[in-house]
Amino acid sequence: QVQLQESGPGLVKPSETLSLTCSVSGVSIKNYYWNWIRQSPGKGLEWIGHIYNSGSTKYSPSLKSRVTISVDTSKNHFSLGLSTVTAADTAIYYCAMSLYYYDSGGPRIRAFDYWGLGTLVTVSS
Amino acid sequence: EIVLTQSPATLSMSPGERATLSCRASQSVSTHLAWYQQKPGQAPRLLIYDASNRSPGIPARFSGSGSGTDFTLTISSLEPEDFAVYYCQQSSIWYTFGQGTKLDFK
Repeated sequence: QVQLQESGPGLVKPSETLSLTCSVSGVSIKNYYWNWIRQSPGKGLEWIGHIYNSGSTKYSPSLKSRVTISVDTSKNHFSLGLSTVTAADTAIYYCAMSLYYYDSGGPRIRAFDYWGLGTLVTVSS
Repeated sequence: EIVLTQSPATLSMSPGERATLSCRASQSVSTHLAWYQQKPGQAPRLLIYDASNRSPGIPARFSGSGSGTDFTLTISSLEPEDFAVYYCQQSSIWYTFGQGTKLDFK
């Protein structure tokens, strides 16, 4: 079955870069869409971005200038980088897999089908 | 950005009752709407996609309806394990979530 597991530092200093990895088992990371989503008391659930087709990316317009998502197909995992963090970036970070389908506009995802357990990242000095 | 507004914020009910949760979009999302259930300390779990399709393994007591801007999640007869927070999410233009409805015991 599909399993996702986030890993990375639980504490990041302000102005530094947050780095997380999502390890995937049960499916090949060369297929599907791979997302990062975060959840905080102040902003609720927020989609950060995704990677698909082994390298194509889309990022939330509000975070685009600070986000990088990459994939390592040899390790079957994908990663998140979020630069210049502040306290507002404190959240539980989830990775999630999406199935996709094709319509007149090309491939699109319908939902976030499988989620990791999440990892709490606190931004503090 | 498409804003999703869920109501009510909290719904107090008893096992066996029928629960109706609402999600309203700030502009039409067609049927590009999903529902999730989240329990404390857990990740959200996909219940419904494309407004009315149950995700594999989701019990038949969960159903979704609606299109355009108004959507409903119905739980036909509440089980004790259904008391949780429910979120709607649209995938029409980018991806946004509602603020959630907490379903708790009366």
